[in-house]
Amino acid sequence: KQEVTQIPAALSVPEGENLVLNCSFTDSAIYNLQWFRQDPGKGLTSLLLIQSSQREQTSGRLNASLDKSSGRSTLYIAASQPGDSATYLCAVFASGTYKYIFGTGTRLKVLA
Amino acid sequence: EAQVTQNPRYLITVTGKKLTVTCSQNMNHEYMSWYRQDPGLGLRQIYYSMNVEVTDKGDVPEGYKVSRKEKRNFPLILESPSPNQTSLYFCASSLFGGRPYEQYFGPGTRLTVT
Repeated sequence: KQEVTQIPAALSVPEGENLVLNCSFTDSAIYNLQWFRQDPGKGLTSLLLIQSSQREQTSGRLNASLDKSSGRSTLYIAASQPGDSATYLCAVFASGTYKYIFGTGTRLKVLA
Repeated sequence: EAQVTQNPRYLITVTGKKLTVTCSQNMNHEYMSWYRQDPGLGLRQIYYSMNVEVTDKGDVPEGYKVSRKEKRNFPLILESPSPNQTSLYFCASSLFGGRPYEQYFGPGTRLTVT
C-alpha cells in the first residue's frame, strides 16, 4: 500500500533562508506528484506538478524535484519570506489505482 | 473564472440526519474527488470519479455515498451522519486525458455532527 511521509512535521526559519521540504513515498508506481500550499482554515493551492517522466519543475522561487527510484521528492524554496508561512503538502497519484495519497504536511513558519 | 465550488461552507447537524454537500466545477474536468482532512491524519480520499457514471472508493468510503450524473457535479451524501464524520471536507477536480493532471480544490466544507 502506498504511503507518503513528510519530514519534518514543522519547521521554523528566519526570513531570507533557502529551505528544503521533503516528501517520500513507498511505491514508485506513480503517475505524478503534486505539491500544495494550505493556509490555516483555507483550501489547497497547487504549487507544482511533476509528471512521472520528469525530474523537476520550477515556478518562481520554488523548485520541486522527483526521484522515483528512491521514492523521494523535494520542494526547494529560495529566499524565504514571512508570506511563505503555511502548511506544505505533497500528494502522489498512484498508478493503477487512480487514487491520490497525501502526506501529512510540513508546517512552515518564516520569521521576520 | 475557473473554479471548484462547494456548498455549504459550514454545516452543523445532528446524528442521523441525512445531508448532501454539493460540489461543482466549470473546467470540464473528467476526474473529481472527495477528501476529508483531520488533524494528524492529513487528507484522505473518500471517493473519486473518473467520468460520468464512473465512481470508485478511496481509502475511507464507509458512511458516504456519491453520484456522478453530470460531468460538472459530484455531490457527497451522508445518509446517517455520525460524530466521527465531523471533519473538513474538500472536493477536487482535474483533467484525465489518459493520465492525471493538476488537481484543483474547492474551498472546503466544515462539517460538525453532534
